[in-house]
Amino acid sequence: SAVISQKPSRDICQRGTSLTIQCQVDSQVTMMFWYRQQPGQSLTLIATANQGSEATYESGFVIDKFPISRPNLTFSTLTVSNMSPEDSSIYLCSVEGGGGQETQYFGPGTRLLVL
Amino acid sequence: AQSVTQLGSHVSVSEGALVLLRCNYSSSVPPYLFWYVQYPNQGLQLLLKYTTGATLVKGINGFEAEFKKSETSFHLTKPSAHMSDAAEYFCAVSERGSQGNLIFGKGTKLSVKP
Repeated sequence: SAVISQKPSRDICQRGTSLTIQCQVDSQVTMMFWYRQQPGQSLTLIATANQGSEATYESGFVIDKFPISRPNLTFSTLTVSNMSPEDSSIYLCSVEGGGGQETQYFGPGTRLLVL
Repeated sequence: AQSVTQLGSHVSVSEGALVLLRCNYSSSVPPYLFWYVQYPNQGLQLLLKYTTGATLVKGINGFEAEFKKSETSFHLTKPSAHMSDAAEYFCAVSERGSQGNLIFGKGTKLSVKP
Protein backbone atom coordinates (compact mmCIF):
# COMPACT_ATOMS: atom_id res chain seq x y z
CA SER A 1 0.00 0.00 0.00
CA ALA A 2 1.05 3.60 -0.59
CA VAL A 3 2.38 5.87 2.13
CA ILE A 4 0.52 9.15 2.14
CA SER A 5 1.35 12.34 4.00
CA GLN A 6 -0.67 15.51 4.40
CA LYS A 7 0.30 19.03 5.39
CA PRO A 8 -0.73 20.70 7.58
CA SER A 9 -1.93 18.11 10.06
CA ARG A 10 -4.19 20.70 11.67
CA ASP A 11 -4.90 24.40 11.48
CA ILE A 12 -7.09 27.06 12.98
CA CYS A 13 -8.19 29.70 10.49
CA GLN A 14 -10.25 32.86 10.45
CA ARG A 15 -13.42 33.04 8.41
CA GLY A 16 -13.00 34.52 4.95
CA THR A 17 -9.47 33.20 4.52
CA SER A 18 -8.27 30.25 2.44
CA LEU A 19 -6.17 27.22 3.31
CA THR A 20 -4.28 24.95 0.95
CA ILE A 21 -3.81 21.34 2.00
CA GLN A 22 -1.05 19.26 0.47
CA CYS A 23 -1.10 15.52 -0.17
CA GLN A 24 2.09 13.65 -1.03
CA VAL A 25 2.30 9.98 -2.03
CA ASP A 26 5.44 7.84 -2.02
CA SER A 27 4.64 6.26 -5.38
CA GLN A 28 3.06 7.29 -8.65
CA VAL A 29 -0.69 6.91 -8.68
CA THR A 30 -3.28 7.68 -11.30
CA MET A 31 -6.22 8.60 -9.13
CA MET A 32 -6.26 10.72 -6.02
CA PHE A 33 -9.35 11.61 -4.04
CA TRP A 34 -10.30 14.30 -1.56
CA TYR A 35 -12.84 13.64 1.20
CA ARG A 36 -14.44 15.72 3.91
CA GLN A 37 -15.38 14.31 7.29
CA GLN A 38 -17.51 16.73 9.23
CA PRO A 39 -17.60 16.43 13.03
CA GLY A 40 -19.23 13.16 14.05
CA GLN A 41 -20.02 12.26 10.45
CA SER A 42 -18.87 9.82 7.84
CA LEU A 43 -16.71 10.61 4.84
CA THR A 44 -18.03 12.46 1.83
CA LEU A 45 -16.15 12.53 -1.45
CA ILE A 46 -15.38 16.06 -2.60
CA ALA A 47 -13.64 15.33 -5.87
CA THR A 48 -11.45 12.98 -7.86
CA ALA A 49 -8.16 14.34 -9.16
CA ASN A 50 -6.37 12.75 -12.09
CA GLN A 51 -3.02 14.04 -13.27
CA GLY A 52 -3.25 16.20 -16.35
CA SER A 53 -6.96 16.83 -16.23
CA GLU A 54 -9.41 18.91 -14.27
CA ALA A 55 -10.78 17.45 -11.09
CA THR A 56 -14.22 15.88 -11.13
CA TYR A 57 -16.44 17.26 -8.36
CA GLU A 58 -19.27 15.49 -6.60
CA SER A 59 -22.69 16.97 -6.24
CA GLY A 60 -22.66 19.82 -3.73
CA PHE A 61 -19.01 20.71 -4.24
CA VAL A 62 -17.75 23.33 -6.68
CA ILE A 63 -14.38 24.29 -8.03
CA ASP A 64 -14.58 27.88 -6.85
CA LYS A 65 -14.90 26.73 -3.25
CA PHE A 66 -12.54 23.75 -3.41
CA PRO A 67 -9.97 24.27 -6.18
CA ILE A 68 -7.72 21.27 -6.67
CA SER A 69 -4.36 20.94 -8.35
CA ARG A 70 -2.70 17.73 -9.53
CA PRO A 71 0.63 18.72 -11.07
CA ASN A 72 2.16 15.23 -11.12
CA LEU A 73 1.52 11.61 -10.20
CA THR A 74 2.62 11.91 -6.57
CA PHE A 75 1.15 15.22 -5.40
CA SER A 76 -2.12 17.10 -5.10
CA THR A 77 -3.47 20.12 -3.28
CA LEU A 78 -6.94 21.04 -2.09
CA THR A 79 -7.75 24.64 -1.26
CA VAL A 80 -10.66 25.52 0.98
CA SER A 81 -11.60 29.03 -0.11
CA ASN A 82 -13.39 31.84 1.68
CA MET A 83 -13.82 29.67 4.74
CA SER A 84 -16.73 29.74 7.14
CA PRO A 85 -17.22 27.82 10.40
CA GLU A 86 -19.22 25.24 8.45
CA ASP A 87 -15.98 24.25 6.72
CA SER A 88 -14.57 22.98 10.01
CA SER A 89 -13.87 19.35 9.19
CA ILE A 90 -11.22 16.75 8.67
CA TYR A 91 -10.02 16.73 5.08
CA LEU A 92 -8.50 13.48 3.86
CA CYS A 93 -6.79 12.56 0.65
CA SER A 94 -6.68 9.02 -0.61
CA VAL A 95 -5.22 7.12 -3.53
CA GLU A 96 -6.49 4.17 -5.46
CA GLY A 97 -4.28 1.18 -4.85
CA GLY A 98 -4.35 -0.18 -8.36
CA GLY A 99 -5.04 -3.70 -9.53
CA GLY A 100 -8.60 -2.87 -10.49
CA GLN A 101 -9.98 -3.62 -7.06
CA GLU A 102 -10.97 -0.08 -6.15
CA THR A 103 -9.05 -0.17 -2.86
CA GLN A 104 -8.31 3.27 -1.48
CA TYR A 105 -5.59 4.13 1.00
CA PHE A 106 -5.95 7.24 3.11
CA GLY A 107 -3.68 9.91 4.41
CA PRO A 108 -3.73 10.95 8.09
CA GLY A 109 -6.05 13.88 7.44
CA THR A 110 -5.96 17.63 8.02
CA ARG A 111 -8.02 18.87 10.94
CA LEU A 112 -9.40 22.31 10.17
CA LEU A 113 -11.14 24.61 12.59
CA VAL A 114 -12.60 27.84 11.25
CA LEU A 115 -13.41 30.55 13.76
CA ALA B 1 -27.55 3.65 -6.40
CA GLN B 2 -25.20 2.21 -3.87
CA SER B 3 -25.69 2.67 -0.16
CA VAL B 4 -24.31 1.36 3.09
CA THR B 5 -26.13 0.97 6.38
CA GLN B 6 -24.27 0.38 9.61
CA LEU B 7 -26.59 -0.70 12.40
CA GLY B 8 -25.65 0.91 15.68
CA SER B 9 -23.72 4.13 15.82
CA HIS B 10 -22.17 3.03 19.10
CA VAL B 11 -21.32 -0.48 20.27
CA SER B 12 -19.87 -1.26 23.68
CA VAL B 13 -18.30 -4.59 24.62
CA SER B 14 -16.23 -5.91 27.47
CA GLU B 15 -12.60 -6.81 26.98
CA GLY B 16 -12.43 -10.41 25.78
CA ALA B 17 -15.98 -10.42 24.45
CA LEU B 18 -17.06 -10.96 20.88
CA VAL B 19 -17.11 -7.91 18.64
CA LEU B 20 -19.85 -7.77 16.00
CA LEU B 21 -20.29 -4.68 13.86
CA ARG B 22 -23.08 -4.86 11.32
CA CYS B 23 -23.02 -3.61 7.75
CA ASN B 24 -25.63 -4.00 5.04
CA TYR B 25 -25.23 -2.66 1.55
CA SER B 26 -27.17 -2.17 -1.61
CA SER B 27 -25.62 -2.42 -5.03
CA SER B 28 -26.96 -3.16 -8.48
CA VAL B 29 -23.82 -5.07 -9.45
CA PRO B 30 -21.43 -7.33 -7.52
CA PRO B 31 -19.72 -5.04 -5.07
CA TYR B 32 -16.34 -4.54 -3.58
CA LEU B 33 -16.70 -4.24 0.20
CA PHE B 34 -14.35 -2.70 2.72
CA TRP B 35 -13.94 -2.10 6.42
CA TYR B 36 -11.80 0.80 7.58
CA VAL B 37 -10.83 1.73 11.12
CA GLN B 38 -10.19 5.24 12.40
CA TYR B 39 -8.36 5.61 15.68
CA PRO B 40 -8.73 8.90 17.54
CA ASN B 41 -7.09 11.79 15.73
CA GLN B 42 -5.87 9.59 12.92
CA GLY B 43 -6.77 8.85 9.30
CA LEU B 44 -8.46 5.74 8.00
CA GLN B 45 -6.70 2.40 7.94
CA LEU B 46 -7.88 -0.46 5.76
CA LEU B 47 -8.88 -3.42 7.93
CA LEU B 48 -9.97 -5.84 5.24
CA LYS B 49 -11.71 -6.05 1.90
CA TYR B 50 -13.80 -8.41 -0.19
CA THR B 51 -13.37 -8.38 -3.93
CA THR B 52 -13.83 -11.89 -5.31
CA GLY B 53 -13.34 -15.46 -4.20
CA ALA B 54 -13.62 -16.61 -0.62
CA THR B 55 -16.49 -14.92 1.14
CA LEU B 56 -14.82 -15.02 4.55
CA VAL B 57 -12.00 -12.52 4.56
CA LYS B 58 -9.44 -12.01 7.25
CA GLY B 59 -7.90 -8.68 8.04
CA ILE B 60 -5.46 -7.13 10.40
CA ASN B 61 -5.65 -7.22 14.19
CA GLY B 62 -7.69 -10.45 14.25
CA PHE B 63 -10.74 -9.03 12.48
CA GLU B 64 -12.67 -10.88 9.83
CA ALA B 65 -15.81 -10.31 7.79
CA GLU B 66 -18.10 -12.51 5.78
CA PHE B 67 -19.75 -11.48 2.54
CA LYS B 68 -23.30 -12.87 2.43
CA LYS B 69 -24.86 -12.06 -0.90
CA SER B 70 -28.29 -13.40 0.05
CA GLU B 71 -28.38 -11.08 3.06
CA THR B 72 -26.50 -8.21 1.38
CA SER B 73 -24.35 -8.07 4.47
CA PHE B 74 -20.69 -7.74 5.33
CA HIS B 75 -20.55 -7.88 9.13
CA LEU B 76 -17.24 -7.41 10.92
CA THR B 77 -16.29 -9.71 13.78
CA LYS B 78 -13.49 -10.36 16.21
CA PRO B 79 -13.65 -13.23 18.69
CA SER B 80 -12.08 -11.39 21.61
CA ALA B 81 -12.05 -7.62 22.02
CA HIS B 82 -8.95 -5.81 23.18
CA MET B 83 -8.79 -2.36 24.70
CA SER B 84 -6.78 -1.21 21.69
CA ASP B 85 -9.73 -2.01 19.41
CA ALA B 86 -11.59 1.07 20.65
CA ALA B 87 -12.04 3.18 17.53
CA GLU B 88 -14.56 4.11 14.87
CA TYR B 89 -15.22 1.57 12.15
CA PHE B 90 -16.51 2.40 8.70
CA CYS B 91 -18.00 0.01 6.17
CA ALA B 92 -17.72 1.03 2.53
CA VAL B 93 -18.85 -0.27 -0.86
CA SER B 94 -17.80 0.37 -4.40
CA GLU B 95 -18.82 -1.07 -7.71
CA ARG B 96 -16.36 -2.66 -10.08
CA GLY B 97 -15.20 -0.18 -12.61
CA SER B 98 -16.64 2.74 -10.69
CA GLN B 99 -13.30 4.51 -10.70
CA GLY B 100 -13.23 5.35 -7.05
CA ASN B 101 -16.86 5.87 -6.18
CA LEU B 102 -16.44 4.61 -2.62
CA ILE B 103 -19.59 4.98 -0.52
CA PHE B 104 -19.17 4.97 3.25
CA GLY B 105 -21.55 4.07 6.01
CA LYS B 106 -22.05 6.47 8.91
CA GLY B 107 -19.61 4.59 11.10
CA THR B 108 -19.83 2.63 14.34
CA LYS B 109 -17.91 3.74 17.38
CA LEU B 110 -16.62 0.76 19.33
CA SER B 111 -15.95 1.12 23.05
CA VAL B 112 -14.18 -1.61 25.01
CA LYS B 113 -14.73 -1.83 28.74
CA PRO B 114 -12.10 -3.31 31.03
